[in-house]
Amino acid sequence: GENVEQHPSTLSVQEGDSAVIKCTYSDSASNYFPWYKQELGKGPQLIIDIRSNVGEKKDQRIAVTLNKTAKHFSLHITETQPEDSAVYFCAAPERGSTLGRLYFGRGTQLTVWP
Amino acid sequence: NAGVTQTPKFQVLKTGQSMTLQCAQDMNHEYMSWYRQDPGMGLRLIHYSVGAGITDQGEVPNGYNVSRSTTEDFPLRLLSAAPSQTSVYFCASSNQHGVAYEQYFGPGTRLTVT
Repeated sequence: GENVEQHPSTLSVQEGDSAVIKCTYSDSASNYFPWYKQELGKGPQLIIDIRSNVGEKKDQRIAVTLNKTAKHFSLHITETQPEDSAVYFCAAPERGSTLGRLYFGRGTQLTVWP
Repeated sequence: NAGVTQTPKFQVLKTGQSMTLQCAQDMNHEYMSWYRQDPGMGLRLIHYSVGAGITDQGEVPNGYNVSRSTTEDFPLRLLSAAPSQTSVYFCASSNQHGVAYEQYFGPGTRLTVT
């Protein structure tokens, strides 16, 4: 199956700074890369995703970039706010899966200090 | 829509006891799955189902059973609980049709096995 590695495992930033989380994947056929945010005591929630036919996607303060040649993708959060503090997971689908089976990274605990 | 619901929220078991974690969704999603979340390990897939009557194993299936008799429900059974099964369990569902991969997660069940 797919092997997804995520770095860093913890990240602390000052409010207003940017945060970047990186993931690598092993299956060159993977074509969909979501990012999930998990707030304390809750289940993960999709915040942004990117498909392999584009290199970047933005949604307000968050963006995801994809480098298919290097097989890595990154989450960028600008102008961070305390409410961005959470655990973030990247994921990639199983080869050939059209049914949503995902392999998740180990997560990044982001802390934004006011 | 209630989305994905899980019961109970918390459970303490003794080694060797059995129990069932309940999961239900009201979005008519074909695909449902169970994950466990352990510190530093991310989300690991236990079992999944692509529709009523069809289930398959994920990455860490040992010690767990599932069944899918209806589209709405996907219970997870622990036959003989072990301390290694202490974890937070999440149920998720997604729409099989098209290429929609977004997974909707429940709020989780925190299980402690003593």
